[in-house]
Amino acid sequence: DIQMTQSPSAMSASVGDRVTITCRASQGIRNSLAWFQQKPGKVPKRLIYAASSLQSGVPSRFSGSGSGTEFTLTISSLQPEDSATYYCLQHNNDPLTFGGGTKVEIK
Amino acid sequence: EVQMVESGGGLVQPGGSLRLSCAPSGFTVNNNYMTWVRQAPGKGLEWVSVINRGGSTFYADSVKGRFTFSRDTSKNTVYVQMNSLRAEDTAVYYCAGGSDLDYWGQGTLVTVSS
Repeated sequence: DIQMTQSPSAMSASVGDRVTITCRASQGIRNSLAWFQQKPGKVPKRLIYAASSLQSGVPSRFSGSGSGTEFTLTISSLQPEDSATYYCLQHNNDPLTFGGGTKVEIK
Repeated sequence: EVQMVESGGGLVQPGGSLRLSCAPSGFTVNNNYMTWVRQAPGKGLEWVSVINRGGSTFYADSVKGRFTFSRDTSKNTVYVQMNSLRAEDTAVYYCAGGSDLDYWGQGTLVTVSS
């Protein structure tokens, strides 16, 4: 099974800050990676697919990059509504695997 | 608009069984990946099972041998039969459609407790 190592597990940042979250795959997964945002009590929402494609309706301050084993989710200017937990998902191989999540809090 | 509607959750005793259903609208279960993901209280997302376009199924080790994923294309519905349930199976179960989980249902809560 492919392991997805996500870092950091939690972070606190100020409004307007640039935030970067990383996922590392235990083996190459091409660009078969998605990023999800989940707010408490809510359904996960896909932000990024195919590593770098922005889901329709998602603010452009979110971006994804990477290929192979290293991937990054960037929030260019953190907003209060971005307080949430973020997960990466690899779907190159079955079983699909999620990263452990990154909880982003606003200072 | 695509909607995934799950049903079948509830309270069950350890060792018991439950069947969850997921009936999408605006999305066909035939020729599409359908996945079950769960989230235990206060925990992260855990992939549970998938049925791929060809109808093959795969399971997480934690549920292998106890859960069975199936689909009924005539009803455009997928099911997960959960047997020998354990306390650690307590979670919100989400149905998701698409190879990279494009579409999610609202989730159904399964509580395994005596």
